[in-house]
Amino acid sequence: QVQLQESGPGLVKPSQTLSLTCTVSGGSISSGSYYWSWIRQPAGKGLEWIGRIYSGSTNYNPSLKSRVTISVDTSKNQFSLKLSSVTAADTAVYYCARAQGGSSSIHYWGQGTLVTVSS
Amino acid sequence: QSVLTQPPSASGTPGQGVTISCSGSSSNIGSNFVNWYQQFPGTAPKLLIYSNNQRPSGVPDRFSGSKSGTSASLAISGLQSEDEADYYCAAWDDSLNGHVVFGGGTKLTVL
Repeated sequence: QVQLQESGPGLVKPSQTLSLTCTVSGGSISSGSYYWSWIRQPAGKGLEWIGRIYSGSTNYNPSLKSRVTISVDTSKNQFSLKLSSVTAADTAVYYCARAQGGSSSIHYWGQGTLVTVSS
Repeated sequence: QSVLTQPPSASGTPGQGVTISCSGSSSNIGSNFVNWYQQFPGTAPKLLIYSNNQRPSGVPDRFSGSKSGTSASLAISGLQSEDEADYYCAAWDDSLNGHVVFGGGTKLTVL
C-alpha cells in the first residue's frame, strides 16, 4: 500500500520560501505512470491544485507558476515543493499526492501539513 | 472563484437520493475525465469517482458519476448520515499548458 507523508516547517515568514518534502513509501517513486502532485487548502476553503511532476516534466497552476518549483529525489524516494515569496494568502494545509495518468485522478493522498505564513 | 462550478450546499434525508452538479467548459470537463472527491473535516480528501463514472474499490455503489458535455454530476442514493461531508469535482484543463482545476466544493448535509 502506497503511503505519502509531508514534512517541513509549519511556520514560514512572509517573503521567504516555503519548502516541503513528501516521502513515498510502499512503492518506488520512479516506477509506473504516476504524477507526483501538490494540492493545498486554506482553512475553511476549497482545494487548490499547485502542480505535479512526472518523469522530470512539470505542470503548474498558472496562478502560482512564477513562484512554484516541484522536484523529485529518486534516491530518497521523495518529491518536494518550493513556493517563493510567500504571503499570508499562502497559509494552508498542503497535501502531497499521487495521481494517475489519463484521468488525473488522485488515488493516494498524504495526511496534509499545515503551513502558516506569519512574522 | 473556482473554474468548475458546484452548488455550495446540498441536503437530503436518510434514504433519499441527492445529486451534486459540476459545471465547466470545453477545455476541462468537455474534453477530459471528471473525478470526484469526498472530504471529512480535518482529513485528506478521498477519491470517490474517477474517469467520470468509475468507483475505486471500497466505494459503495450508492455513489455514481456521470458526464454530459461540459457538465458532470455525482449522484448519491440511499443517503446515510455518514455521507455528510464536502464533495469536490476536478478535471484536467487543457488551457495554459495544462493544469488540474477543482470545483469550489459542495457541503452535503444529511438532515
